[in-house]
Amino acid sequence: DTGVSQDPRHKITKRGQNVTFRCDPISEHNRLYWYRQTLGQGPEFLTYFQNEAQLEKSRLLSDRFSAERPKGSFSTLEIQRTEQGDSAMYLCASSQTIFYEQYFGPGTRLTVT
Amino acid sequence: DQQVKQNSPSLSVQEGRISILNCDYTNSMFDYFLWYKKYPAEGPTFLISISSIKDKNEDGRFTVFLNKSAKHLSLHIVPSQPGDSAVYFCAGTLITGNQFYFGTGTSLTVIP
Repeated sequence: DTGVSQDPRHKITKRGQNVTFRCDPISEHNRLYWYRQTLGQGPEFLTYFQNEAQLEKSRLLSDRFSAERPKGSFSTLEIQRTEQGDSAMYLCASSQTIFYEQYFGPGTRLTVT
Repeated sequence: DQQVKQNSPSLSVQEGRISILNCDYTNSMFDYFLWYKKYPAEGPTFLISISSIKDKNEDGRFTVFLNKSAKHLSLHIVPSQPGDSAVYFCAGTLITGNQFYFGTGTSLTVIP
């Protein structure tokens, strides 16, 4: 297994456009997490999936953000009507249920102009 | 609310010496703590963890200490190597593991 992969690695978009990111977790991992990280900060939790079920969502998450994991494998994170404040690194991580240790992907860097 | 805090943004240590990175948390319900290491342009990499029922966990050059009464944990790296230069994040989670809270990170520089 090559680890957690994310696509694209970089995305530049204009304010108001919609963007979608993809995360492919490690195949046997049933837990999947999305985080956002800005400069000088640690990863900020966005949402969590156990298989295909979205079990946790940050109360700070705007309604413009939505995530799916339709078959319990890959996941997508969509941001609608992007704003400049959405510019950040978006990280995906996966883990097995019985372990807390998460494995992170390389991230998708979003720049909203 | 910042439930996990790393108050030292940076730390410089001579090669071969001990590096001590500190982390404080506010949520007494945290059940598990983890340390991650991050190089530029990469995602964080898991380093070492500790359960709240323990006060120490060791893995090679890395040791994590947990002081529950003080709500404080620390990561010791002995001996420090130049390849250890990276940003280190600590994180805490409840027993469910549904949500993880990360600190703001400490940038470690090991000087050859």
